[in-house]
Amino acid sequence: GAGVSQSPSNKVTEKGKDVELRCDPISGHTALYWYRQSLGQGLEFLIYFQGNSAPDKSGLPSDRFSAERTGGSVSTLTIQRTQQEDSAVYLCASSLVWGEQYFGPGTRLTVT
Amino acid sequence: GDSVTQMEGPVTLSEEAFLTINCTYTATGYPSLFWYVQYPGEGLQLLLKATKADDKGSNKGFEATYRKETTSFHLEKGSVQVSDSAVYFCALSGAGSYQLTFGKGTKLSVIP
Repeated sequence: GAGVSQSPSNKVTEKGKDVELRCDPISGHTALYWYRQSLGQGLEFLIYFQGNSAPDKSGLPSDRFSAERTGGSVSTLTIQRTQQEDSAVYLCASSLVWGEQYFGPGTRLTVT
Repeated sequence: GDSVTQMEGPVTLSEEAFLTINCTYTATGYPSLFWYVQYPGEGLQLLLKATKADDKGSNKGFEATYRKETTSFHLEKGSVQVSDSAVYFCALSGAGSYQLTFGKGTKLSVIP
């Protein structure tokens, strides 16, 4: 079946612009996660959605970062007023409750 | 908080050599432990996991044993192949938690 998909695969933006990154989880997976992979920090947890519960936003690095999940499926990660330190690969994963996390291919964000 | 420390790479081995990648962790309670692999140009894939002490996870010839007394989960393979060239990440999810905490990754290159 289809895996986790993310779009775009690459995004280049100018400092100060807003960007939106999209994640389509595996059908039927109730849990959705966003992680960030950067050279300096490795892989970091950002945010977690589970069903209709309030998301766990404890990993978001600043209030410029936000995410939503519509209809319990597709998720969008938004970064406002991008900074150069936001350059990274943003990974999305989905799972059944307490299940194995399946990762998407990621979106490589470059802020110039 | 939880943390994972794994040996830094890069690691270069000849084909059919023995592989060990060390991983130690700090966590309260009894975490679940994972090894993920990222092949060039691809997303993260779960390689193997162990959920309780003395469990051995295995897949594709790779093995790792959950050692609570030494808080370790070292990855081993008896005979590596060129196709094993990838970045390997050790990770944990804390007891009652869902987010993954990753090590910084170890790049393995296998030469013919």
